[in-house]
Amino acid sequence: EAGVAQSPRYKIIEKRQSVAFWCNPISGHATLYWYQQILGQGPKLLIQFQNNGVVDDSQLPKDRFSAERLKGVDSTLKIQPAKLEDSAVYLCASSLGTSGGADGELFFGEGSRLTVL
Amino acid sequence: AQRVTQPEKLLSVFKGAPVELKCNYSYSGSPELFWYVQYSRQRLQLLLRHISRESIKGFTADLNKGETSFHLKKPFAQEEDSAMYYCALGPSTGNQFYFGTGTSLTVIP
Repeated sequence: EAGVAQSPRYKIIEKRQSVAFWCNPISGHATLYWYQQILGQGPKLLIQFQNNGVVDDSQLPKDRFSAERLKGVDSTLKIQPAKLEDSAVYLCASSLGTSGGADGELFFGEGSRLTVL
Repeated sequence: AQRVTQPEKLLSVFKGAPVELKCNYSYSGSPELFWYVQYSRQRLQLLLRHISRESIKGFTADLNKGETSFHLKKPFAQEEDSAMYYCALGPSTGNQFYFGTGTSLTVIP
């Protein structure tokens, strides 16, 4: 079974530049998540999609971050302009279930490591 | 507010010794709790969930609502258990998964 695919794996940019990350979830998974993981911290949810609708984006810094999931499959996460504190690993995850319930298993991608200089 | 606390950032045990990774949570409702693990150079993956009450790779975790804890235990640690372990709360808590800061376990040969 193909897992969650993410690209690029690594990206180095200067502050105020823009960057985009791409995620392809496991086929058939309705729910897609973007997490930010800063060094030494646990993953923090940025945005959650169910099919192509946003379920939760309460922790997404909307002045600089945006995300979309067109057609309910692939997703992109964009940062513009980037700040030094955006340096982190950006994890994409998907799950079979819809919101709530006891499904609970998230399948993670390998992550995209962003360094902002 | 929902919160997951893992008090130990680093934990080292000798091979064959018992290991316990601590997790405490804060949630007023009925929690769903999970342990996720990340082995070196691998992606984050589910280890076990409290509702299934199963033992995976010799690990067990019991939900203690009185102490709001979900500690992960294994009676005899193995070298291949060395990894980063994250306790997580969700998704019944309003869709989100809340992750702890993680505990890095090193099993010394």
